[in-house]
Amino acid sequence: NAGVTQTPKFRVLKTGQSMTLLCAQDMNHEYMYWYRQDPGMGLRLIHYSVGEGTTAKGEVPDGYNVSRLKKQNFLLGLESAAPSQTSVYFCASSYNKGGHEQYFGPGTRLTVT
Amino acid sequence: AQKVTQAQTEISVVEKEDVTLDCVYETRDTTYYLFWYKQPPSGELVFLIRRNSFDEQNEISGRYSWNFQKSTSSFNFTITASQVVDSAVYFCALSEWGQFYFGTGTSLTVIP
Repeated sequence: NAGVTQTPKFRVLKTGQSMTLLCAQDMNHEYMYWYRQDPGMGLRLIHYSVGEGTTAKGEVPDGYNVSRLKKQNFLLGLESAAPSQTSVYFCASSYNKGGHEQYFGPGTRLTVT
Repeated sequence: AQKVTQAQTEISVVEKEDVTLDCVYETRDTTYYLFWYKQPPSGELVFLIRRNSFDEQNEISGRYSWNFQKSTSSFNFTITASQVVDSAVYFCALSEWGQFYFGTGTSLTVIP
């Protein structure tokens, strides 16, 4: 039981390049989330999904897209990376919304130069 | 406006001291959930406790205790007899309408 895994762990991009972050969970959770963590800002919700085939915007969705084609996977895409997207990205999943705790992946450190 | 406010940015205590981390939240919802997470230097986020808005009973778990007061919209976290391993960033979070809001975190350093 791996829990929540994220790929890759580190990445350096040049401005304008694109990439996809992969999140996978093996707990059969319905809900999945993408956050970014910046110094002094805490965690901010980018996008989330309440089930396979569904996605919704969070607090800071601009510049990101997501897809949830399979229940166990939640992809975060950056179409044209900007230095402002330099951050640590965390994926999380939960059994249900609201009342259930989120289980977090180990994070992906992304640097955009 | 911040949904979750953790006014203490950094706290340092000497080992074995007690320390309280403050959390104030803002919501208009009558049904909501509050959480505390710990992020040690290794970077992972570890779930500590969950509380729903209908349960104001305080909780103690070993050296940890939580004080939930709806009247002041606060959900404070106390570590008794702190240890070096408690050094971490602690986040308070609010869940309402399916969305999660995290505070900016309190960095706790326990000095041996």
